[in-house]
Amino acid sequence: GAGVSQSPSNKVTEKGKDVELRCDPISGHTALYWYRQSLGQGLEFLIYFQGNSAPDKSGLPSDRFSAERTGGSVSTLTIQRTQQEDSAVYLCASSLAQTTEAFFGQGTRLTVV
Amino acid sequence: DQQVKQNSPSLSVQEGRISILNCDYTNSMFDYFLWYKKYPAEGPTFLISISSIKDKNEDGRFTVFLNKSAKHLSLHIVPSQPGDSAVYFCAASAPSGTYKYIFGTGTRLKVLA
Repeated sequence: GAGVSQSPSNKVTEKGKDVELRCDPISGHTALYWYRQSLGQGLEFLIYFQGNSAPDKSGLPSDRFSAERTGGSVSTLTIQRTQQEDSAVYLCASSLAQTTEAFFGQGTRLTVV
Repeated sequence: DQQVKQNSPSLSVQEGRISILNCDYTNSMFDYFLWYKKYPAEGPTFLISISSIKDKNEDGRFTVFLNKSAKHLSLHIVPSQPGDSAVYFCAASAPSGTYKYIFGTGTRLKVLA
């Protein structure tokens, strides 16, 4: 597709369950970012992938969060044993290189009940 | 530690007047700055960017000003239109280490018809 695609668009899960969020970046974009936006908050950086370099995981809030990017394209953000405070909109973005603007997907709204 | 700050959570402006959104940063290593606009239930959309080698960048009704000595940037929208009503985020990145974008907490702009 032409833009960054995220799935699912909405996810409701029970506390303690694991969830996987998917991001399809724009074709050819080497950089991929995950952010989250909690209610009334700004965009919180989670993780950044750039080409074949080791990802910058400095924003992951706990070891329940992990992400991978297979083949330099699709990325999956996994949250294990979800907690209510994990409820947020999870946004994925990609950019052509390190010095260009990032394009965002529509986000996945995660609700933990 | 909030490296990128938007101290005004909201701003109301009359249609046709100028909107000025402000952003301050603390990391002197930041050398690339961006503004994004976000409508409800959508991902952020890139608006305009500026490199630290410039102090002004203009694109139509949007102008971004950068004051490196003050570690301050601003976005001017003139004339403001009702369709500009959205949340505006500034973001910054630095060349050292990874190139992740650090976002501010956003300013909600409301343009009154």
